[in-house]
Amino acid sequence: GAGVSQSPRYKVAKRGQDVALRCDPISGHVSLFWYQQALGQGPEFLTYFQNEAQLDKSGLPSDRFFAERPEGSVSTLKIQRTQQEDSAVYLCASSKITNTDTQYFGPGTRLTVL
Amino acid sequence: QKEVEQNSGPLSVPEGAIASLNCTYSDRGSQSFFWYRQYSGKSPELIMSIYSNGDKEDGRFTAQLNKASQYVSLLIRDSQPSDSATYLCAVPYSGGYQKVTFGTGTKLQVIP
Repeated sequence: GAGVSQSPRYKVAKRGQDVALRCDPISGHVSLFWYQQALGQGPEFLTYFQNEAQLDKSGLPSDRFFAERPEGSVSTLKIQRTQQEDSAVYLCASSKITNTDTQYFGPGTRLTVL
Repeated sequence: QKEVEQNSGPLSVPEGAIASLNCTYSDRGSQSFFWYRQYSGKSPELIMSIYSNGDKEDGRFTAQLNKASQYVSLLIRDSQPSDSATYLCAVPYSGGYQKVTFGTGTKLQVIP
């Protein structure tokens, strides 16, 4: 498809488990963003990639969160030792060039930590 | 002070009326501003972008920007029940980082 895809759409994890969330951006898009959205809140910025370079990770809430985009296309957000407060929808977005371009969002992954 | 502020609502308007959604931001260097619409359980989708002071119209939507007042608004004319959603204001950070800050969103309800 032509849009941003994410997998899995839903993930249930037991507290303490590690999870990996995948994002497949629009082909050719340079920029890739990860956001965390809690219920009733706007998306909260987590991290930004320009091609394979992670240029901004200022929003990652702890060192349990790690993201990579090794070949400048698909990205993975990994959360180690999940906690209940990690329960949220994780959104991935891509844009053509920079953060001032339109962002196209994927459907999100809803993570529930029990 | 939050970087991007919106009234969370809900804002209720009757069908056919004008809905006015407001957003203030703290980064004086910001040059681009976005309005996204998010239906319940769905991901955000772009409605409007605006870069210059003044008004920008697209169909029933008008975005207004006042950089001196650090204020951006979205007007929806002839509101329809299908416009019922949460409207998110997004402001890319200007200071060399690539973060984009979203407001908490304003929930709009259009009453038939």
